[in-house]
Amino acid sequence: AQSVTQLDSQVPVFEEAPVELRCNYSSSVSVYLFWYVQYPNQGLQLLLKYLSGSTLVESINGFEAEFNKSQTSFHLRKPSVHISDTAEYFCAVSESSGGSNYKLTFGKGTLLTVNP
Amino acid sequence: GAVVSQHPSWVICKSGTSVKIECRSLDFQATTMFWYRQFPKQSLMLMATSNEGSKATYEQGVEKDKFLINHASLTLSTLTVTSAHPEDSSFYICSAGQGVDGYTFGSGTRLTVV
Repeated sequence: AQSVTQLDSQVPVFEEAPVELRCNYSSSVSVYLFWYVQYPNQGLQLLLKYLSGSTLVESINGFEAEFNKSQTSFHLRKPSVHISDTAEYFCAVSESSGGSNYKLTFGKGTLLTVNP
Repeated sequence: GAVVSQHPSWVICKSGTSVKIECRSLDFQATTMFWYRQFPKQSLMLMATSNEGSKATYEQGVEKDKFLINHASLTLSTLTVTSAHPEDSSFYICSAGQGVDGYTFGSGTRLTVV
């Protein structure tokens, strides 16, 4: 079984400031890692994912996350945030072997609030 | 990209009635779909895994007789909340996809039981 810990439930920042949303996971098997974003009253949208290869993955809107196996972390970063980045962010893992049909286990989420 | 349509987006029903929520994969076939429940300001809790042509697999603590799941085709799964009560009020989200690529989520259904 896997578990995901998002250390910060809320992160308030000012516009154009850098931000880091922290995610740590626990698993006895190899995992795939994901970050999802949720806007109010909407479903989740995939932001970025790590499956294999380069440990640094990027999204099209400036976010990046780095897989650190030794620290079992997958922190999300953005060098300069916009008001429109205000949303709930969820870190998730699944077994890379395909166990349980790649069932996702989610962290509790981090509410990123970008203030002008 | 993959699109998952969920309907209705919101529904209000009287206590004791049943409500059906549909989840459709619009441009791909999904042998597996997932149903989640999300309480306000909390994470998604997996309720069940819906498998096309077979019975759903429910997570521990989820009442299968209350939350009926049917996955009759490769593009449609339904969740029926039977004899709904106010405590069933929640945000329900489905997902489907290609497994290793992560899943595409529906836009969610806000259920309010009065």
